Amino acid sequence: DAKTTQPPSMDCAEGRAANLPCNHSTISGNEYVYWYRQIHSQGPQYIIHGLKNNETNEMASLIITEDRKSSTLILPHATLRDTAVYYCIVCPTGNQFYFGTGTSLTVIP
Amino acid sequence: GAVVSQHPSRVICKSGTSVKIECRSLDFQATTMFWYRQFPKQSLMLMATSNEGSKATYEQGVEKDKFLINHASLTLSTLTVTSAHPEDSSFYICSAADRGQKTQYFGPGTRLLVL
Repeated sequence: DAKTTQPPSMDCAEGRAANLPCNHSTISGNEYVYWYRQIHSQGPQYIIHGLKNNETNEMASLIITEDRKSSTLILPHATLRDTAVYYCIVCPTGNQFYFGTGTSLTVIP
Repeated sequence: GAVVSQHPSRVICKSGTSVKIECRSLDFQATTMFWYRQFPKQSLMLMATSNEGSKATYEQGVEKDKFLINHASLTLSTLTVTSAHPEDSSFYICSAADRGQKTQYFGPGTRLLVL
């Protein structure tokens, strides 16, 4: 079963930062936080992952709270192509992913 | 990033026939591959975990005799839907974990329609 809770939907204005929250209050010490997104009728696309430190790559930043019970994915300058369902998943590396319902992000022109 | 392909991208078949879906890791070796199913407006549901050279591990409620998985090499896993019925119509997605297993990379999915 999914161990994460995300808001079902969010809107963001084009060009603004999109901040997507995720609660994972039962996360274990060896579990990573992964973020993927799925654009309609495609396979999920990897965005970023982290264990306890904040992470940044060319797509996004991942902020993990000190107690690791929640995290936020930040898309710094949202574009219309960022409209997708965003999934937050916690699990040890190499293990199975159990997807929750995700957050449907709509970027508005 | 790593690339995972699936073939075919979509397939239509008659009820009672079998359909094979291939999942390939194109630029890395995948010791573990995963198969998911996604119904319309729902999230991905893990079906099974496939390790190269060994039998797949199926999630509860997934019939192993109906969904045959073979992971014969480090770059190829196949899912065969046997005796397909209309209720098997779905979007089937595979993923592959690289040797370091830091993350999974997903294929583009296969849309199956059983008439």
